[in-house]
Amino acid sequence: DVKVTQSSRYLVKRTGEKVFLECVQDMDHENMFWYRQDPGLGLRLIYFSYDVKMKEKGDIPEGYSVSREKKERFSLILESASTNQTSMYLCASTPWTGTGEQYFGPGTRLTVT
Amino acid sequence: DQQVKQNSPSLSVQEGRISILNCDYTNSMFDYFLWYKKYPAEGPTFLISISSIKDKNEDGRFTVFLNKSAKHLSLHIVPSQPGDSAVYFCAAKGLNNNDMRFGAGTRLTVKP
Repeated sequence: DVKVTQSSRYLVKRTGEKVFLECVQDMDHENMFWYRQDPGLGLRLIYFSYDVKMKEKGDIPEGYSVSREKKERFSLILESASTNQTSMYLCASTPWTGTGEQYFGPGTRLTVT
Repeated sequence: DQQVKQNSPSLSVQEGRISILNCDYTNSMFDYFLWYKKYPAEGPTFLISISSIKDKNEDGRFTVFLNKSAKHLSLHIVPSQPGDSAVYFCAAKGLNNNDMRFGAGTRLTVKP
């Protein structure tokens, strides 16, 4: 069974803080993704990575950065958290070939006050 | 530019009846379509998929229909059960596995 884990289920941070969200997958998948989910907007792609040290911007990368130093680990960084970054953050992974089915972690509910 | 659209934010059906969730897309290059189910405080889980070369795929109570000429797909759940109450996301895959587009989701409520 594919397992994708995220470092925290719930986080509360203050405006201006630097925030790290970590994601680990155990199936040797090449592709990893960070999404945010907001009501009425669905899943919006922030960044994805198709290999170690490789990253590509998604649809809403502003205010975020990512790091992928190891194949199994993909980190999302909020350089200076703002209240409009309060959201559910979801990490996912998928292999390079196949149907594209993505395996998601349980999500991190981030609240920025 | 939203390439995958789910125009119904919510749907309520009675237990035992059919649930039909709809999805429209704009990009004719999508080659695979997927449905995910999401419970509160959990990540989405894969439900069922269909290749662009097919028009129907069935898995138990779940059937996905694809109408390529209309750029429309639908998910049918028969019979609906209260445990099916969740948010359902439609997704479409482009040429690469890292090119996946999600709809906004439809919240299904199945009443006992």
